[in-house]
Amino acid sequence: NAGVTQTPKFRILKIGQSMTLQCAQDMNHNYMYWYRQDPGMGLKLIYYSVGAGITDKGEVPNGYNVSRSTTEDFPLRLELAAPSQTSVYFCASGKGKGNQPQHFGDGTRLSIL
Amino acid sequence: KNEVEQSPQNLTAQEGEFITINCSYSVGISALHWLQQHPGGGIVSLFMLSSGKKKHGRLIATINIQEKHSSLHITASHPRDSAVYICAVRAMSGETSGSRLTFGEGTQLTVNP
Repeated sequence: NAGVTQTPKFRILKIGQSMTLQCAQDMNHNYMYWYRQDPGMGLKLIYYSVGAGITDKGEVPNGYNVSRSTTEDFPLRLELAAPSQTSVYFCASGKGKGNQPQHFGDGTRLSIL
Repeated sequence: KNEVEQSPQNLTAQEGEFITINCSYSVGISALHWLQQHPGGGIVSLFMLSSGKKKHGRLIATINIQEKHSSLHITASHPRDSAVYICAVRAMSGETSGSRLTFGEGTQLTVNP
């Protein structure tokens, strides 16, 4: 079982460039999440989705966009990269019902220079 | 003040020592999660608690709902336990917000041989 797969693992962008962080899960989970982790800080929720076609903002959505056209995929788009978006990004998925654990990808380390 | 506070931020122990990491939270919750982040960055779920105590191998997690406090204990610690341990809570309002989690900043544990 692959679980939650994130690509790429590392990326360096120039200010103003755009890119998409990919996330795919093969556990048929309805709920998916994007987090960012900054040094010394707790994980912050960027966007989440409770099913295909449904997305909603988390705590820190500015500068990001998401889509959820299928159950499996939940890409995160950065349109105009800014140095403040330098972070480690984690995608996670879960069944969502009741108190179920979230399953995390290995993360994408993104630097904006 | 963060909704989820962990202590200590950093902890260094000798192999074999009994370790306790604490988590306090300020909101009503439906569940509390303990997560482990490996030195390579991957995050795995260790426990999910809504009451009482859970044990898995050398790891024990307890929660006191009235005091809004949870502890993670590691017995007979080993260098391979070195990691960041993260506490996260699912607020009561999580039923209508995608089962969102709020994370503590993590506790960096180093176990020396």
